[in-house]
Amino acid sequence: DARVTQTPRHKVTEMGQEVTMRCQPILGHNTVFWYRQTMMQGLELLAYFRNRAPLDDSGMPKDRFSAEMPDATLATLKIQPSEPRDSAVYFCASGTGTGRDNEQFFGPGTRLTVL
Amino acid sequence: DQQVKQNSPSLSVQEGRISILNCDYTNSMFDYFLWYKKYPAEGPTFLISISSIKDKNEDGRFTVFLNKSAKHLSLHIVPSQPGDSAVYFCAASANDYKLSFGAGTTVTVRA
Repeated sequence: DARVTQTPRHKVTEMGQEVTMRCQPILGHNTVFWYRQTMMQGLELLAYFRNRAPLDDSGMPKDRFSAEMPDATLATLKIQPSEPRDSAVYFCASGTGTGRDNEQFFGPGTRLTVL
Repeated sequence: DQQVKQNSPSLSVQEGRISILNCDYTNSMFDYFLWYKKYPAEGPTFLISISSIKDKNEDGRFTVFLNKSAKHLSLHIVPSQPGDSAVYFCAASANDYKLSFGAGTTVTVRA
């Protein structure tokens, strides 16, 4: 049963601390997306990768957020330093990125609370 | 700037009746539309999609209607079942891999 996995599922940290969220995309998927869910904005796209190369990270606050794919089985989203307004659920999704099949498979999310 | 809008944050419907969820978009370049369903503590899962060359797509109890001139789409669930209680997200793309999502509509199906 192929699934996107995310760790940790929950993270509580204090303002100013570094936070790293990890995602393992479905094997064989070549597109990876990071989203943030907030009550007001719904799902916001932060960044996405194709074949491990970053294609668009315009949704990310550049001064504190960074996203990488060290290899095809791991994507990371880092916040340094974290702020209370970063509190949200962060989702990773992966897809095949072929044709017009834009179905993205989402992980269970990381719920981040910054105090 | 929110390019996909779901103006109804919640919807309550009786079991067996029809649920109608609405979605509006502003970007005329969008040509592919999707609905995702999300249960608490889980990630969204794909439900149904429609290409801009069609105005209707049906999959079992779920039908999506697209009105391009009005930049509006809707999801109909008939009949509604308790397991349909979830948050529904409308999403759209413009011939690339990026999806723009709405804020979601929480559906509650009453027994």
